[in-house]
Amino acid sequence: DQQVKQNSPSLSVQEGRISILNCDYTNSMFDYFLWYKKYPAEGPTFLISISSIKDKNEDGRFTVFLNKSAKHLSLHIVPSQPGDSAVYFCAASDNSGNTPLVFGKGTRLSVIA
Amino acid sequence: GAGVSQTPSNKVTEKGKYVELRCDPISGHTALYWYRQSLGQGPEFLIYFQGTGAADDSGLPNDRFFAVRPEGSVSTLKIQRTERGDSAVYLCASSLTPKYTGELFFGEGSRLTVL
Repeated sequence: DQQVKQNSPSLSVQEGRISILNCDYTNSMFDYFLWYKKYPAEGPTFLISISSIKDKNEDGRFTVFLNKSAKHLSLHIVPSQPGDSAVYFCAASDNSGNTPLVFGKGTRLSVIA
Repeated sequence: GAGVSQTPSNKVTEKGKYVELRCDPISGHTALYWYRQSLGQGPEFLIYFQGTGAADDSGLPNDRFFAVRPEGSVSTLKIQRTERGDSAVYLCASSLTPKYTGELFFGEGSRLTVL
């Protein structure tokens, strides 16, 4: 049973537009969420995180929104750049530190120039 | 470099053989994790070390899989009697903070192909 779901395997966006990547989770114990970015032949790299005490966290062009009641989070990238083309993984854990990170299957973002 | 280093980057083996995959974490990181990423899937947790001890091995799929970290730095993931279903990218990550808190720094992975 997938506890972290990324239902869109791929997304294509024009350069300069907004990219919105979605993630849903089922485990109500999750209270810490992260996005990782992965280029081919490289390991995932941390992008941005959010704790459940917040509903938004912003870092430059990247903003993560959390809707706890819907068990849904999203990553917004604006403006999108060709270098953002990668696979994005949503991950979750409980912030008590007792459970390992659980990852979604990833969404492949292609930003077209 | 200063990042997590994994060797080999690629390993092709035959069904039934034994393989070892090595991870050299970032210096000073006491927490070390192994994840496995199969085709079309996200990384799946295998095992977590805090120092030399395996603090959580609940993700190991069966007793053919074993990992060690004898001196609290380099770790080796060992797979006995490999099966075709073991084919995946094995990712190692390290962290400065213990118990799944904080940012994980991943290596590039070891791609294992079992023929």
